[in-house]
Amino acid sequence: EPEVTQTPSHQVTQMGQEVILRCVPISNHLYFYWYRQILGQKVEFLVSFYNNEISEKSEIFDDQFSVERPDGSNFTLKIRSTKLEDSAMYFCATRFTGTSSYEQYFGPGTRLTVT
Amino acid sequence: GENVEQHPSTLSVQEGDSAVIKCTYSDSASNYFPWYKQELGKRPQLIIDIRSNVGEKKDQRIAVTLNKTAKHFSLHITETQPEDSAVYFCAVIGGQAGGFKTIFGAGTRLFVKA
Repeated sequence: EPEVTQTPSHQVTQMGQEVILRCVPISNHLYFYWYRQILGQKVEFLVSFYNNEISEKSEIFDDQFSVERPDGSNFTLKIRSTKLEDSAMYFCATRFTGTSSYEQYFGPGTRLTVT
Repeated sequence: GENVEQHPSTLSVQEGDSAVIKCTYSDSASNYFPWYKQELGKRPQLIIDIRSNVGEKKDQRIAVTLNKTAKHFSLHITETQPEDSAVYFCAVIGGQAGGFKTIFGAGTRLFVKA
């Protein structure tokens, strides 16, 4: 069964550094999402992306965050200048374009640790 | 914006008993309600979902009920097994702001005692 993949699985970075998290969606999925989950807390929506543009974003997704699909396959989340509070698990999810199912398929996550 | 409340935060049941987890939401235009199971260190896994035009859906030991008027939906797990132990999240998608934003509940930690 096809799966969403994410790289790296774990990223350690220093405060103020830029990080790029990568996601490879299931082929023929054209809706993409990023979520974050601080340890022990709930999953929080960051942004949704469709047709090469942001569809919706949350209050968390400020100017420090950006998303793009640079090469038609990878879907990336960039954090420009990381803060300690950005430490969390970041999940990518993708969804088929049809309306028969709204199911989102989650990747395994990238654990980001900001020191 | 949408607000999703989930109860209880922790639930402990004896193997074989039923477990019920409830969520309420605020935006009456929300139209899709999935439930996810998350084991420690793993990704959320969809276990069942329901759309706003359906009142109940069942898949073997798992069922979801939706009351649109009252704006709440519930997860029912029957004949619980130790491997059902995990954190369960409800989520709400859609609403006035559009069809893409997903709001999760705070999660319920389910313990099934053998």
